[in-house]
Parts: sequence; C-alpha cells; structure tokens
Amino acid sequence: NAGVTQTPKFQVLKTGQSMTLQCAQDMNHNSMYWYRQDPGMGLRLIYYSASEGTTDKGEVPNGYNVSRLNKREFSLRLESAAPSQTSVYFCASRGTAGPEAFFGQGTRLTVV
Amino acid sequence: AQSVTQPDIHITVSEGASLELRCNYSYGATPYLFWYVQSPGQGLQLLLKYFSGDTLVQGIKGFEAEFKRSQSSFNLRKPSVHWSDAAEYFCAVGAYTGTASKLTFGTGTRLQVTL
Repeated sequence: NAGVTQTPKFQVLKTGQSMTLQCAQDMNHNSMYWYRQDPGMGLRLIYYSASEGTTDKGEVPNGYNVSRLNKREFSLRLESAAPSQTSVYFCASRGTAGPEAFFGQGTRLTVV
Repeated sequence: AQSVTQPDIHITVSEGASLELRCNYSYGATPYLFWYVQSPGQGLQLLLKYFSGDTLVQGIKGFEAEFKRSQSSFNLRKPSVHWSDAAEYFCAVGAYTGTASKLTFGTGTRLQVTL
C-alpha cells in the first residue's frame, strides 16, 4: 500500500550542483504534481502533468524541469541548484475519482 | 484566479476544548474544497473534502467543515481537541483545468494543543 513514494527523503547540495528528485505512484493515477513548501507560504505548484507525455508549468517553475517518464513516474530536476531552492518538495497524484490529491512524504532539500 | 486565505497562522487550544480553523477562498465557480493535515516531518493527509450537496461535511479524526457560499468560507471544526491533533492544517481549493486539476493551498495554520 505504498501510494506516492519520493526519493530521496533528504538531500544537501552545493550551489550549482544538479540533482533529480524521483516520484512514483502505484494508484494508476493520470495526473501528477510537484509542489514546494516554504515557511509561511503554504504549498506552491511547480509543475504538473495531466497525463503521460504532457507537462505544464505551475506557479513557480523557474529553475526546474520535469519529466513524466511513464504513467507511474514524474521526476523533478534542478539543473543548477541555488540557495533559494532550499525547501521541502512534495509530489502528489490524482486519479479520476475526484480532484483531491494524494501526497508523498516529501524531500527536504538544502542548498548551501 | 483561485486563492485561499487562512487568516490564523498559529492557534493554541487546550485539550478538550473546541476548535475552529478559518478558511476563505476565491474562486469563480462552484469550488472543490479540501482540508489537509500535516504532522511534523510528514506529508499531507486529506481530512475532508467538499464537492457539492450537503454543506456540512464530515471527515476523519472527528473533524467537520461547513461550506458557506455567501461568506466564501470553509471553516474546519472539531468539538473536542486531542493532543494528537497538534499539527499544521491546510485549506485548499481545486479546479479542473482540462484533464488536470490544480490545488491551490492556503499558507496553513499551526495548531498547538496544551494539556
């Protein structure tokens, strides 16, 4: 009963390094999302994917890229990390039963 | 554009007391509304949701919320708070955009429970 799985759970990067955050869901959901959570700002949508093969920008896409590898997996890439990208990143997915999203446990990223 | 306002950043209540967390939304049509709870270091768990119909909705852990269209509000309530309810609570409004829906979140209310 995994739901939405994110890896890694914690990561420290140096400014300018790159990395990819992985997300996989086993609920056969069509839509997947990446959010970032910052203190006092709630969750802000970075990118989303309505279905396999499609991706769209959300509210704060600058500095990120995404890949919807298949129906299960949706990755988020930071090409050149900046301290402003220090945040907790959440992946979520949604099925056709309703617009509520199901969330992973998050990735805590620190850029120094 | 859709938006959510949670006016209370931090609330402290005594165990056993009643709780009401406020949420106001802005949305152009009938909204889809949600409350999520986040325990420290955890992801977000859905407490309850409103799509249509009865404006008082029941959720998990004894929570309920009431949709008031005239006030653009969707406040979360619990008659008697338990220490384990200490967490951060997020209100969200959802829209359908094509085949995807996007959830817009409020900034959250952190609940502290005193014994």
